[in-house]
Amino acid sequence: KQEVTQIPAALSVPEGENLVLNCSFTDSAIYNLQWFRQDPGKGLTSLLLIQSSQREQTSGRLNASLDKSSGRSTLYIAASQPGDSATYLCAVTSGTYKYIFGTGTRLKVLA
Amino acid sequence: EAQVTQNPRYLITVTGKKLTVTCSQNMNHEYMSWYRQDPGLGLRQIYYSMNVEATDKGDVPEGYKVSRKEKRNFPLILESPSPNQTSLYFCASSLGPGATEAFFGQGTRLTVV
Repeated sequence: KQEVTQIPAALSVPEGENLVLNCSFTDSAIYNLQWFRQDPGKGLTSLLLIQSSQREQTSGRLNASLDKSSGRSTLYIAASQPGDSATYLCAVTSGTYKYIFGTGTRLKVLA
Repeated sequence: EAQVTQNPRYLITVTGKKLTVTCSQNMNHEYMSWYRQDPGLGLRQIYYSMNVEATDKGDVPEGYKVSRKEKRNFPLILESPSPNQTSLYFCASSLGPGATEAFFGQGTRLTVV
């Protein structure tokens, strides 16, 4: 059974720092991995989608990597800003018709 | 604009009073699904649909029903809501279940008293 874990559960950093969020999964047979952002009281916004054949994806200050063999993905945020404060979720899809989510990392960037 | 729209955004209801949460997508996606999000448990799939008239149970289907009569709509029905169904609900859609990007609605916060 696929399980997704995100560490740390919460993170507080000063503005301007580069930071890394971690996501691990137990079954390496995935179709893709997707990173989302969730703001309080709002829905999920897709940040990056990495297909199983890819190693990384980049969008602006965000870079996500995928290492299927070790069951890990990282989301790198460069030059963090207070507006980056949110909960970040990773989700994988595999043989079943659903996304398996981690419980998220709650990020707070201090001005 | 590509989007998934859920209504209502907030709902407070009483135990046993039937309710429907609507979900509509404008991307001609075949695959749609419902999730609930609870503290400490993350998002869990309730039901999914591969296409019109094709639905199946997810991980936590008890107490819920769905229908898919049109491609764009996938309503979630609670025939007799109970307090343990108090949660934040999300509808999602994608071209397929795995290989493509998923789009999520804004969420429906349901409270059953």
